[in-house]
Amino acid sequence: GAGVSQSPSNKVTEKGKDVELRCDPISGHTALYWYRQSLGQGLEFLIYFQGNSAPDKSGLPSDRFSAERTGGSVSTLTIQRTQQEDSAVYLCASSPRARPYEQYFGPGTRLTVT
Amino acid sequence: GENVEQHPSTLSVQEGDSAVIKCTYSDSASNYFPWYKQELGKRPQLIIDIRSNVGEKKDQRIAVTLNKTAKHFSLHITETQPEDSAVYFCAASSDQTGANNLFFGTGTRLTVIP
Repeated sequence: GAGVSQSPSNKVTEKGKDVELRCDPISGHTALYWYRQSLGQGLEFLIYFQGNSAPDKSGLPSDRFSAERTGGSVSTLTIQRTQQEDSAVYLCASSPRARPYEQYFGPGTRLTVT
Repeated sequence: GENVEQHPSTLSVQEGDSAVIKCTYSDSASNYFPWYKQELGKRPQLIIDIRSNVGEKKDQRIAVTLNKTAKHFSLHITETQPEDSAVYFCAASSDQTGANNLFFGTGTRLTVIP
């Protein structure tokens, strides 16, 4: 079946602009995660959604970052007033209710802030 | 919170030799330990996982061992092949917080020399 998809695959933006990144999880998966991966680095947890529960936002690096998940499916990660240090690959993952630990990753969005 | 450490950060082996990557974790409540493989420019993919009620798990050339007392777990790849070259991430998770977050290690870049 279809895996996790993300769009756009690449985004170049000017410093100070806002960007929106989209994630479509695997159909039926109840949990959705956002991670950030800087060049050659590990995975930095940003935010976690589980069903209708309040999201775990503990990983968001600043108040310029926010995320929504509408209808328990698609999620958007918004970065306001982008800075050069926001440049990274943003990865989305989803997991099924029955096996919440098994995270399946999307291909990522490469964000470049100039 | 959980802290996962991973060693080594880089590892080079000759084709056919074995590779071992080790991780330690801090939270004794962690009970799920997956390993992800990330090839250059691609998404992380789950390759094997282990739960705390099991000491070892094998899948063809890949095995994972877990020592809950010492709070460490390891990935073993035997008869390495050039296509095993990638970055490998370990992770640990506990469901006790209800967050189901995976805490990742910093990654090991494995290079298999033909």
